[in-house]
Amino acid sequence: KNQVEQSPQSLIILEGKNCTLQCNYTVSPFSNLRWYKQDTGRGPVSLTIMTFSENTKSNGRYTATLDADTKQSSLHITASQLSDSASYICVVITGTASKLTFGTGTRLQVTL
Amino acid sequence: DADVTQTPRNRITKTGKRIMLECSQTKGHDRMYWYRQDPGLGLRLIYYSFDVKDINKGEISDGYSVSRQAQAKFSLSLESAIPNQTALYFCATSKTGVKGKNNEQFFGPGTRLTVL
Repeated sequence: KNQVEQSPQSLIILEGKNCTLQCNYTVSPFSNLRWYKQDTGRGPVSLTIMTFSENTKSNGRYTATLDADTKQSSLHITASQLSDSASYICVVITGTASKLTFGTGTRLQVTL
Repeated sequence: DADVTQTPRNRITKTGKRIMLECSQTKGHDRMYWYRQDPGLGLRLIYYSFDVKDINKGEISDGYSVSRQAQAKFSLSLESAIPNQTALYFCATSKTGVKGKNNEQFFGPGTRLTVL
């Protein structure tokens, strides 16, 4: 069964600190992987997309990594800000039919 | 203006009522999707449409129907709402074959539906 598992489920960090969110997947065949940010009461917004051949992709303070051999991805947030408080969802896309498998998300809270 | 809009944003209804959720987009995308999100679960696909004449069931289509009235409009109906359809519903759009960003889906703000 195609699955995407994320850890931790929730995380609280102090403003200015770094954190890393994890995503493990069993989805096959793999096309690409996205990280989405979902603010409370809003729809998800794409942060990064990674294809099979990419190991690292950055978007500002967000850096995603992908290890296609171990089927793991991570999202590293540097120098966190209060506005980073949100759910972060890992999404794996298969094949050509645009089939998306969503993780359950990591809820991040950044505090003063 | 938002590229993907959903109406209503919030709705409370009773068991057995017919409900329609509407989605409109100004992105010019050909593909549209309906998802539901429940606490502790990932988004799950209800229906999707790759163009006006193409409608496909997703993984949890039972109890739902859709209509693609135009390229820019995709509505979701609950013919007879039941309490376990209480959830957050998202519409999304994407464009076929955009190189380098294939499969990126753009989400609306969501509709919070409560069935009593």
